[in-house]
Amino acid sequence: AQTVTQSQPEMSVQEAETVTLSCTYDTSESNYYLFWYKQPPSRQMILVIRQEAYKQQNATENRFSVNFQKAAKSFSLKISDSQLGDTAMYFCAFPPLGHPGGTSYGKLTFGQGTILTVHP
Amino acid sequence: EAGVTQFPSHSVIEKGQTVTLRCDPISGHDNLYWYRRVMGKEIKFLLHFVKESKQDESGMPNNRFLAERTGGTYSTLKVQPAELEDSGVYFCASSQEYGTGGWYEQYFGPGTRLTVT
Repeated sequence: AQTVTQSQPEMSVQEAETVTLSCTYDTSESNYYLFWYKQPPSRQMILVIRQEAYKQQNATENRFSVNFQKAAKSFSLKISDSQLGDTAMYFCAFPPLGHPGGTSYGKLTFGQGTILTVHP
Repeated sequence: EAGVTQFPSHSVIEKGQTVTLRCDPISGHDNLYWYRRVMGKEIKFLLHFVKESKQDESGMPNNRFLAERTGGTYSTLKVQPAELEDSGVYFCASSQEYGTGGWYEQYFGPGTRLTVT
């Protein structure tokens, strides 16, 4: 069974500073994807960033980047230059085994979530 | 393009009553998923439709929950009779069958907050 663990229930950061949210997971697969989703207050969840396990290079999307440590099964999210709009709950998520062609679909396994508050 | 929509946004019912939640996926998305987040816990998968067929319903908690997807378009999730432990936020998500580059993205609706008293 796949598991995802987020050990930080809540985090806070000052505007313009950097914050890192942690996520660890467990899987027996060698190729997979990892995602970070963001759910702002009273709004729907959106995908922030994804990482493909076979890629050694860490994914980056503007101010969001990941530190992917495959051997340690760690997938942390770094938010640089934090903005008030980054206040949200962040979920690490992990889909099931993909097809031989590499396409993956199906249920996501989520971590418990981390509430991030950005203070002015 | 319209996103995933869910109705109602909130529902408060008494134990033993019936509630039906609705999800309208993004047009053209074959995959539709239901998830649930019980207070303070992680989001858990309930079931997955591919068009009108149930691909995976391993997360459905018991036979009080019935999901349907008529004609492969919108989906409903009925809880009958509702119990206190059914309270939580029910999320729907949809995705195309295959994404570009061998990965997919699930687009989530805003959720329905269900409170059973």
